[in-house]
Amino acid sequence: EPEVTQTPSHQVTQMGQEVILRCVPISNHLYFYWYRQILGQKVEFLVSFYNNEISEKSEIFDDQFSVERPDGSNFTLKIRSTKLEDSAMYFCASSLGQGSTEAFFGQGTRLTVV
Amino acid sequence: GEDVEQSLFLSVREGDSSVINCTYTDSSSTYLYWYKQEPGAGLQLLTYIFSNMDMKQDQRLTVLLNKKDKHLSLRIADTQTGDSAIYFCAEWMTYNTDKLIFGTGTRLQVFP
Repeated sequence: EPEVTQTPSHQVTQMGQEVILRCVPISNHLYFYWYRQILGQKVEFLVSFYNNEISEKSEIFDDQFSVERPDGSNFTLKIRSTKLEDSAMYFCASSLGQGSTEAFFGQGTRLTVV
Repeated sequence: GEDVEQSLFLSVREGDSSVINCTYTDSSSTYLYWYKQEPGAGLQLLTYIFSNMDMKQDQRLTVLLNKKDKHLSLRIADTQTGDSAIYFCAEWMTYNTDKLIFGTGTRLQVFP
């Protein structure tokens, strides 16, 4: 069964460092998403991406964040200068199309900023 | 607004039924979902319902949708200790947007 894969599963970084979280969406999907879940809190939308550009972003997705699809398979989230409050689980998701039945989620990357 | 609300905790005895409730905001949502998250794990899609349906049953799971009141519920029959997890409802918002919005999550604890 096709699945969304994320690497690494856990990343520890020092405050101020840049991190890149990687995702491989399902191959024929066209829409890609990043969500964030701070420990014990709800899952929050960060950004959606379609046709090689951001289609929507939330207030959380400020200038420190960027997304890229550098090749035909990877979808990355970069945090330029990490802060303590960026510590969270980051989920990547992909879907076939707009309003499609299901968004498939990866297992998440736990980011710990120290 | 984009608030999807759920009660925070539910505690049930093994073998009983669990009912987890959710209220959502976007009446134009075409699909509504229930996700399960076990400790330290990712989001597992349990089931979903199309907005023109009132009910969907899938083995031990029953989803009820009251579109007028924007109320969604998930009933788990014969709840087992393995059902202990956090359950998120989510709506797919499509009016001027295209994204899943998650509820606050309900922590279900099943005791023997």
